[in-house]
Amino acid sequence: EDKVVQSPLSLVVHEGDTVTLNCSYEVTNFRSLLWYKQEKKAPTFLFMLTSSGIEKKSGRLSSILDKKELFSILNITATQTGDSAVYLCAVDTAGANSKLTFGKGITLSVRP
Amino acid sequence: DAGITQSPRHKVTETGTPVTLRCHQTENHRYMYWYRQDPGHGLRLIHYSYGVKDTDKGEVSDGYSVSRSKTEDFLLTLESATSSQTSVYFCAISDTSGSSYNEQFFGPGTRLTVL
Repeated sequence: EDKVVQSPLSLVVHEGDTVTLNCSYEVTNFRSLLWYKQEKKAPTFLFMLTSSGIEKKSGRLSSILDKKELFSILNITATQTGDSAVYLCAVDTAGANSKLTFGKGITLSVRP
Repeated sequence: DAGITQSPRHKVTETGTPVTLRCHQTENHRYMYWYRQDPGHGLRLIHYSYGVKDTDKGEVSDGYSVSRSKTEDFLLTLESATSSQTSVYFCAISDTSGSSYNEQFFGPGTRLTVL
């Protein structure tokens, strides 16, 4: 059974802090890993990672994948209150029909 | 934003009644998915479709059925709703044809309450 584990499950930081969100996985036929942000509505896509060691970056957010150790991290620098959300990690596995397996999500609260 | 709509957006129903949720897309994507989201469980796949009339079960399919008679519409039916099916339901679409990866785009969600 495919498994995706995110940690910590929740954290509270202050504006300006840097946070690191973790996602580890155990799946067969890994194809890609995806990060989503969810703010009380539909999840919105952040990054897709397919290769180890290549950092994806968008503004203050960045993410990297380690396919040998089977994990990914999502970094957010200089956090703002608008970064408060649930961050979801999902893994896509190759097969006849592609499906995503999601972790339970990390709730990030950024205090002013 | 991807053209995905869900209807209804909110619904309150009673135990034992049938309920149908609709997902409509204007992107002509091949794959469509239904998820439920509950506190402490994240997003869990109920059913998915990989083409017209082609569907398969996800990890929490018991008590649910689906149908896809045309590319743009994917229906989720609860034949006899139970309180354990109170949840937020999300539809998602993706197009994994060719070299595309499974980047899924989500609809706005339907909040279903079963009393």
